[in-house]
Amino acid sequence: QQQVKQSPQSLIVQKGGISIINCAYENTAFDYFPWYQQFPGKGPALLIAIRPDVSEKKEGRFTISFNKSAKQFSLHIMDSQPGDSATYFCAASWGRRALTFGSGTRLQVQP
Amino acid sequence: DTGVSQDPRHKITKRGQNVTFRCDPISEHNRLYWYRQTLGQGPEFLTYFQNEAQLEKSRLLSDRFSAERPKGSFSTLEIQRTEQGDSAMYLCASSLASQGSEKLFFGSGTQLSVL
Repeated sequence: QQQVKQSPQSLIVQKGGISIINCAYENTAFDYFPWYQQFPGKGPALLIAIRPDVSEKKEGRFTISFNKSAKQFSLHIMDSQPGDSATYFCAASWGRRALTFGSGTRLQVQP
Repeated sequence: DTGVSQDPRHKITKRGQNVTFRCDPISEHNRLYWYRQTLGQGPEFLTYFQNEAQLEKSRLLSDRFSAERPKGSFSTLEIQRTEQGDSAMYLCASSLASQGSEKLFFGSGTQLSVL
């Protein structure tokens, strides 16, 4: 059972543009929603995270938007740069349990 | 801060052989997780430890897989009688128990190829 569905599978954005990646979850018990960034040959690294008591969280060029009623959350990367080219994973967990990851979005930012 | 260290980085083995991977977490972290990642997919949870106790195992974890963390520091993941379907990146991550899955730090993984 895939508990966290991520889309799109791949994304191409021009430098300076906005990258948007979406995730939907099924388990209403989830209470922690992070995004991870992974470069080739490296493990994932935590980028930004949100809890369901807020609808938006912003850190620099990265913003999470959260819609509890729709059971969806998204990552927005403003002013996308070639250095942002990586694979992005959404994830979810509850009660300090292990994270369940989405299938990933490969982002390419063209110069 | 040396980060999470995994050894080896790459392992090629023949079907039916046993393999063992090692993970050294960040020194003050008492939680240690093992994940598996196949090409084009997200990390898939296998098991985790808090100190030396193995607290959770995925139902997907075959009996051929066993993990240990004998002194609550480093951990080993052993796969017995490897199959081609075991080919994947095996990722280790660590965190503080007080933070659970929050602020998980991943190693660079061990890439296993079963021929």
